[in-house]
Amino acid sequence: DTAVSQTPKYLVTQMGNDKSIKCEQNLGHDTMYWYKQDSKKFLKIMFSYNNKELIINETVPNRFSPKSPDKAHLNLHINSLELGDSAVYFCASSQGTGELNEQYFGPGTRLTVT
Amino acid sequence: AQTVTQSQPEMSVQEAETVTLSCTYDTSESDYYLFWYKQPPSRQMILVIRQEAYKQQNATENRFSVNFQKAAKSFSLKISDSQLGDAAMYFCAYRAAYTGTASKLTFGTGTRLQVTL
Repeated sequence: DTAVSQTPKYLVTQMGNDKSIKCEQNLGHDTMYWYKQDSKKFLKIMFSYNNKELIINETVPNRFSPKSPDKAHLNLHINSLELGDSAVYFCASSQGTGELNEQYFGPGTRLTVT
Repeated sequence: AQTVTQSQPEMSVQEAETVTLSCTYDTSESDYYLFWYKQPPSRQMILVIRQEAYKQQNATENRFSVNFQKAAKSFSLKISDSQLGDAAMYFCAYRAAYTGTASKLTFGTGTRLQVTL
């Protein structure tokens, strides 16, 4: 009965590789997000999709590409991985983008680039 | 741009005592929402409490309460009767009230709370 799930939970890979992180929510929400938490625990928004449409695209290298095949899924693909990409990536979802809509977070994916 | 500042990187409290975590923010908006999230070692982000800026009354959730001072742009979290399970990173977060791109959460840098016996 997991609300927001991410796979994998841990990902260790070498520099230069391409990897994907998958996110799925079963809450019926129409808005999904990707946040990055760096080694100092700082959390920052990367992307947001509403009804499969990109509505937030912060200053993120274009090696990062989100893909939303449907409202319940938001995947994050990363090309040519760099050491600085090592972080915990959180997926979140909410119903709508306005009012007091709580964002529900997934368990996070710890990405380690060696 | 909105910013959120948590000036206490670490705090410590004894079990059963009360602790207050500080948060200030900067915004030119008049309507917005403020949140406190808890992140235990499990990494899961858990919403602790939320406050609508247009409400003067401070939010309360069991042992957790906030002191919201809109004019001072201050939003502190008070944890009463602290328990060992309260040990975690606590993040203050801001979100504008209008829709669309404003739906993003802007987080502070976090305060690590240690609970001692």
